[in-house]
Amino acid sequence: IAGITQAPTSQILAAGRRMTLRCTQDMRHNAMYWYRQDLGLGLRLIHYSNTAGTTGKGEVPDGYSVSRANTDDFPLTLASAVPSQTSVYFCASSHDETGHGYTFGSGTRLTVV
Amino acid sequence: GQNIDQPTEMTATEGAIVQINCTYQTSGFNGLFWYQQHAGEAPTFLSYNVLDGLEEKGRFSSFLSRSKGYSYLLLKELQMKDSASYLCAALSNDYKLSFGAGTTVTVRA
Repeated sequence: IAGITQAPTSQILAAGRRMTLRCTQDMRHNAMYWYRQDLGLGLRLIHYSNTAGTTGKGEVPDGYSVSRANTDDFPLTLASAVPSQTSVYFCASSHDETGHGYTFGSGTRLTVV
Repeated sequence: GQNIDQPTEMTATEGAIVQINCTYQTSGFNGLFWYQQHAGEAPTFLSYNVLDGLEEKGRFSSFLSRSKGYSYLLLKELQMKDSASYLCAALSNDYKLSFGAGTTVTVRA
């Protein structure tokens, strides 16, 4: 079934640890995105990639890094997790940067303690 | 920066109509999206407007006024399964989607 797969579904992480959230899509979408969703704040863009080999910073990029080595994968790395990074993380993709065909993954619930 | 405003909560009765308003201010404008998100799940696409006017899709309709920076989502013949959060999102000139905080709609029997 075509779509976006995120892993893990949930994770409890000790502060200071490194963590990579995985995101894979099989729709051959060019653009991919990482959002965090916090109560009362809605979805906020962390990083994005308009095409393989390129990435850009979103609204809240500090403490996060991404890479886009190929079309399908867009991992998000927290180099040294802090409690304020406790959130639900959604990966999304679209046909291109115009936003059409925007599809979200099922999310990763991360708790940093 | 981008600014998307929508009400926090709305409550309505099964079978009724509810209108969720959204105002937006973005760096340029390339369209307005509405998403539905059930608790613990991913957002799912509902509608897209780029021209002024009303787009109807079954029980859901979405309206856009570009000159007023205003949109609404109309939910008709409400069903219990419509209880969810509804997210308004505006696409700016650099093709980034900015989301509102979401409106939680509770449908009561």
